[in-house]
Amino acid sequence: QVQVVESGGGVVQPGRSLRLSCVASGFTFSSSAMHWVRQAPGKGLEWVTLISSDGSNKYYIDSVKGRFTISRDNSKNTQYLQMNSLRPEDTGVYYCARDWWWAFGIWGQGTMVTVSS
Amino acid sequence: QSALTQPPSASGSPGQSVTISCTGTSSDVGGYNYVSWYQQHPGKAPKLMIYEVSKRPSGVPDRFSGSKSGNTASLTVSGLQAEDEADYYCSSYAGGNRVFGGGTKLTVL
Repeated sequence: QVQVVESGGGVVQPGRSLRLSCVASGFTFSSSAMHWVRQAPGKGLEWVTLISSDGSNKYYIDSVKGRFTISRDNSKNTQYLQMNSLRPEDTGVYYCARDWWWAFGIWGQGTMVTVSS
Repeated sequence: QSALTQPPSASGSPGQSVTISCTGTSSDVGGYNYVSWYQQHPGKAPKLMIYEVSKRPSGVPDRFSGSKSGNTASLTVSGLQAEDEADYYCSSYAGGNRVFGGGTKLTVL
């Protein structure tokens, strides 16, 4: 079964850090670019970051540049999102998604991140 | 990295057709044939409905179709059914980055 499963969300104070993980199965992870997409409560989808299949290219939305880092371990079929200097506006559900023909082909169920004092 | 523009709401009666627009710029929608559309029911993860402007993944009903003209893409849902009521989002490749529309809430009357 083709799927991705996120974990690592939780409640964290502003300025602190959190690391999300996404484990993939059912497809060739090492050949797939991967994304993180977030959704603030009651709001729309926002693309956050992309990593190429071999990890050599990474792209970020301006609001997280210098604070978030995407990475992957192809031997573990896992990608990560290291989130530092978290802000209240980073609150939301974070989805892991597989890139598929320049679209978001497979989505996980998401993991909730709440940044609050 | 401005969001694509979608109408906040759309509606139609069962059996009717409805079209949702998605307007960007020459740096995203107009510059590439990599527009995709997603359906999201409340509390659920989004689901890919259309990719590369007009292609449907396996399992998506042919009632869903996509098109593009210039900087504006469109999603048409024909033969509306109750289960089509959901939020719909467009997205476009933007030269490495990706960008989403603000979303359209589709109501089946």
